[in-house]
Amino acid sequence: NAGVTQTPKFQVLKTGQSMTLQCAQDMNHEYMSWYRQDPGMGLRLIHYSVGAGITDQGEVPNGYNVSRSTTEDFPLRLLSAAPSQTSVYFCASSRQGSGSPLHFGNGTRLTVT
Amino acid sequence: SQQGEEDPQALSIQEGENATMNCSYKTSINNLQWYRQNSGRGLVHLILIRSNEREKHSGRLRVTLDTSKKSSSLLITASRAADTASYFCATDFTGANSKLTFGKGITLSVRP
Repeated sequence: NAGVTQTPKFQVLKTGQSMTLQCAQDMNHEYMSWYRQDPGMGLRLIHYSVGAGITDQGEVPNGYNVSRSTTEDFPLRLLSAAPSQTSVYFCASSRQGSGSPLHFGNGTRLTVT
Repeated sequence: SQQGEEDPQALSIQEGENATMNCSYKTSINNLQWYRQNSGRGLVHLILIRSNEREKHSGRLRVTLDTSKKSSSLLITASRAADTASYFCATDFTGANSKLTFGKGITLSVRP
């Protein structure tokens, strides 16, 4: 079982560039979410989705877009990268939102110069 | 912020000793979860405890929840070097609409 797969593992962007972080899960989970992890800040929720076609904002949504056209995929798009978006990004899914355990991918380490 | 706060921030113990980590929060919850993160990896779920539960066990892990004090503790018994990791509590606050909020984490080092 692959679980939650994130690509790429590493990425370097220049300020102003855009890119999409990919996330796919094969567990038929309805709930998917994106977090960023910064030193000393823990994990902060960016966006989440409770099912295909439904997305909502988390704690730090500015500068990011998401869409959920299928149950399996939940891509995160950076519209115009900024150095403040340098972080490690984690995608996670669960069967029943915050009421059940989250399954995490191994993360994407993004550096914006 | 509604983040749970873990205590201590860092803990260093000898292999075989017990490790106790605490998490406090400020508003009512539906459940509280503990996760482990090894260096360079994603988080792994350890235990979920619901607001109407007081204690749960999983192998060498024991989690307690005191909703009157708004606190939880994670006990790892007979620690091993492989338990070296960061540990996070995550809270599902009542009315938070499916948003799981993580604390800043505790760094546990287990010396062989």
